[in-house]
Amino acid sequence: AQTVTQSQPEMSVQEAETVTLSCTYDTSESDYYLFWYKQPPSRQMILVIRQEAYKQQNATENRFSVNFQKAAKSFSLKISDSQLGDAAMYFCAYRITNDYKLSFGAGTTVTVRA
Amino acid sequence: GAVVSQHPSWVICKSGTSVKIECRSLDFQATTMFWYRQFPKQSLMLMATSNEGSKATYEQGVEKDKFLINHASLTLSTLTVTSAHPEDSSFYICSARGQSFFATNEKLFFGSGTQLSVL
Repeated sequence: AQTVTQSQPEMSVQEAETVTLSCTYDTSESDYYLFWYKQPPSRQMILVIRQEAYKQQNATENRFSVNFQKAAKSFSLKISDSQLGDAAMYFCAYRITNDYKLSFGAGTTVTVRA
Repeated sequence: GAVVSQHPSWVICKSGTSVKIECRSLDFQATTMFWYRQFPKQSLMLMATSNEGSKATYEQGVEKDKFLINHASLTLSTLTVTSAHPEDSSFYICSARGQSFFATNEKLFFGSGTQLSVL
């Protein structure tokens, strides 16, 4: 069974600063995807970033970037130049390549201070 | 593209009644749909996977007779909570597998969720 662990229940960041959310996972698969999803107060799940395990290059999406360490099974998310709209719960998620069901971590609530 | 409509957004019902939640893919055909449950400030837990035209596959510990899932067409899946009780109160979210629309090449899209409150 695959497990996804987020060890930070809450993180706080000053506006315009950088915050890093950590995620580790356990799997015996070699081919899989990792994701970071954002869930704002509206509770709509929003895809932030996606990483294919076979790619060594870390994914980036504007102010969001990941540090993917496959051997260590670590997948952290860095939010640069934090904005008030970044305040939300962030979930790390995993799935194998040919199955679209996701395993989610417990989530990290990010608060942005003005 | 890639809109998944989920209705209702919230519902309040009396204990013992049944509630149906709909999940529709508006602009693509969803070969597979997933139903998740989320308690306040907790993670999403997969309840079941449904493929169009076949019986749903339930995760361990999920009562199939209580949570009836129907995926009768490529654009509609429904979750019926039968004989609801207060402990069934939760946020239910569907997701649908479709085609790729975006540069990320991701094919999984989420509905906006349904908050169920059972009195």
